[in-house]
Amino acid sequence: AQSVAQPEDQVNVAEGNPLTVKCTYSVSGNPYLFWYVQYPNRGLQFLLKYITGDNLVKGSYGFEAEFNKSQTSFHLKKPSALVSDSALYFCAVRDMNNNAGNMLTFGGGTRLMVKP
Amino acid sequence: GAVVSQHPSRVICKSGTSVKIECRSLDFQATTMFWYRQFPKQSLMLMATSNEGSKATYEQGVEKDKFLINHASLTLSTLTVTSAHPEDSSFYICSAAPRQGRIGYTFGSGTRLTVV
Repeated sequence: AQSVAQPEDQVNVAEGNPLTVKCTYSVSGNPYLFWYVQYPNRGLQFLLKYITGDNLVKGSYGFEAEFNKSQTSFHLKKPSALVSDSALYFCAVRDMNNNAGNMLTFGGGTRLMVKP
Repeated sequence: GAVVSQHPSRVICKSGTSVKIECRSLDFQATTMFWYRQFPKQSLMLMATSNEGSKATYEQGVEKDKFLINHASLTLSTLTVTSAHPEDSSFYICSAAPRQGRIGYTFGSGTRLTVV
């Protein structure tokens, strides 16, 4: 079984400061990892993904995430937060094992609040 | 490329009526689509996996007679909420599984269902 944990329901950060949204995962094999952002009453927008290769993944809108296999983590980061980054962020995982199917499992979501 | 269109974006219906939500892949063929339900301030919960030309696979606890899924073509999956009740009010999101050779998922923009 695969699972994702986002330990923080909400993260508050001042505009211009760096932000981190935490994510840890559990899969039986190797993971595909994703971050999505959701604005109110909207679907999910893709930010970035880790498949293989470099552990530091750069994505949309200046976001990046670092895959840490030993800690089974994939924390989302941005060097300088914007008020417009305020939204709901979801981490998701899929097991690379072909027998596990192609279903995504989502974390509980973290609300990011960036204050001016 | 890889656009998923979901309609309607909002719907209000009377209790006891049925509502159909459409999910279309606009520029690719989606053999598998996923339907999610999202309660306020909560994560996405997978309801069912829709496979073109075959019966949908429902997650535990999801009533298949209540949430009818049809995936009659490679570009269209529909979710029908039958005999809707206020507790069915929620945000429903569809997603198309990765195309062959790709990893990324594409999400619809979501449907806000309100049953009065």
